[in-house]
Amino acid sequence: EDQVTQSPEALRLQEGESSSLNCSYTVSGLRGLFWYRQDPGKGPEFLFTLYSAGEEKEKERLKATLTKKESFLHITAPKPEDSATYLCAVRVGYGGSQGNLIFGKGTKLSVKP
Amino acid sequence: DTEVTQTPKHLVMGMTNKKSLKCEQHMGHRAMYWYKQKAKKPPELMFVYSYEKLSINESVPSRFSPECPNSSLLNLHLHALQPEDSALYLCASSHPGTAYEQYFGPGTRLTVT
Repeated sequence: EDQVTQSPEALRLQEGESSSLNCSYTVSGLRGLFWYRQDPGKGPEFLFTLYSAGEEKEKERLKATLTKKESFLHITAPKPEDSATYLCAVRVGYGGSQGNLIFGKGTKLSVKP
Repeated sequence: DTEVTQTPKHLVMGMTNKKSLKCEQHMGHRAMYWYKQKAKKPPELMFVYSYEKLSINESVPSRFSPECPNSSLLNLHLHALQPEDSALYLCASSHPGTAYEQYFGPGTRLTVT
C-alpha cells in the first residue's frame, strides 16, 4: 500500500534556528514528490517537485532533497513568517493526464521571534 | 499566473439546502480536482476530471455531484448534506504533462447546520 509519513508532527524553532522536516514514503514507483506549504484556513501553496534520488531544489530559505526512501525539507535561518504546516505528497497513478497525490499528515512549524 | 479561484469563500447551509461550489483556472490545465480537508488533516481526494471527463470518484456519497462544464470551470453541487460534511473544500488543477504539479485554490469553508 502506498504510504507517506511525515515527521515530526510539530516543530517549534527560534528565529534563525535551522532544522529539517522529513517525509518518508513507500510507493510502487515514484512519479514525483511534492512539497506544499499551507497556512491556516487556506489552500496548499506549491513549493517544490522532486523526481529522482539526488535531486535538490531551493527557494529562499527552503531546500528540498530526495533519496530513494525519503525527502527532507531543510529550513535555513527561519523567520516567523515561515510558520505554517508543510505537506509532503507523492504522485501515484499510471498514464493519463491526472497526477493523483497521496498526502502525508504534515508538519506544523512554528517559528518564534 | 498560477491562480485557481474558488467561490464562495464561506458557505453555511442547512441539511435540506442545495448549493454549489465553483472553481476556475485559466492556466490551460486539463486536469481538475476536488479535495475535502478536515481540521488538522491532509486533503482527501474526492473527484478528478481529465479533459472534462470524470476519471476518478473516490467513493464519494451521491449528495456530492461534480460537474466540469468546460476546461476552465469545475463545480461541486451539494444536496442534503450532513453536519459531518463540514470542511474546507479545495479545488486544484494540473497541466497534462510530465510535471503534474497541482495548484490549489484558497478553498471554500463549508458549514452544514
